[in-house]
Amino acid sequence: KNEVEQSPQNLTAQEGEFITINCSYSVGISALHWLQQHPGGGIVSLFMLSSGKKKHGRLIATINIQEKHSSLHITASHPRDSAVYICAVRSLETSGSRLTFGEGTQLTVNP
Amino acid sequence: DTGVSQNPRHKITKRGQNVTFRCDPISEHNRLYWYRQTLGQGPEFLTYFQNEAQLEKSRLLSDRFSAERPKGSFSTLEIQRTEQGDSAMYLCASSLIESGADQPQHFGDGTRLSIL
Repeated sequence: KNEVEQSPQNLTAQEGEFITINCSYSVGISALHWLQQHPGGGIVSLFMLSSGKKKHGRLIATINIQEKHSSLHITASHPRDSAVYICAVRSLETSGSRLTFGEGTQLTVNP
Repeated sequence: DTGVSQNPRHKITKRGQNVTFRCDPISEHNRLYWYRQTLGQGPEFLTYFQNEAQLEKSRLLSDRFSAERPKGSFSTLEIQRTEQGDSAMYLCASSLIESGADQPQHFGDGTRLSIL
């Protein structure tokens, strides 16, 4: 079983819909990251959080440390949000701030 | 801030050849990470440096793989005697660690390796 599990694997939405992507992890962590990857490979860091909630524009990330669960929400989704969204954790069991990644959620937003 | 730069963007080579990739991190960043990503999967950790010291290597990093960061700035990842299974996207990331506090990692666009 992967240390980091994401759901769903694939998500198709209509423009304007509210989107939720979930991430569950099985290890103690010091931080959780949400990343966005566009076709061609480039990865952009969206959020790094260790508790509570963060908001940036139409994106909201929440984390529940006790339940080992995080969600990424996108409000008023737009076709330009289409990308792979990856959850990654910094495990307390590993050194050096290296990240352990989920397999990603492929989001497609149709106009 | 020019971001993390990786070269080349794409590399196609025949099985058995050696390849070398380069990563230029954000200039003040003291940590540099290499990850590998195969199609449809999330990235997997390969190795990381703090300044010029290579502090950890994954079990994924076989004897055919070597990474260096000789002056604590750019890094190279070399794969010797490439195999079909080495085909993947190789991602570099950098971060600034101060007082042990986590900071976001900044990723390059990756080098896509295809082995014929």
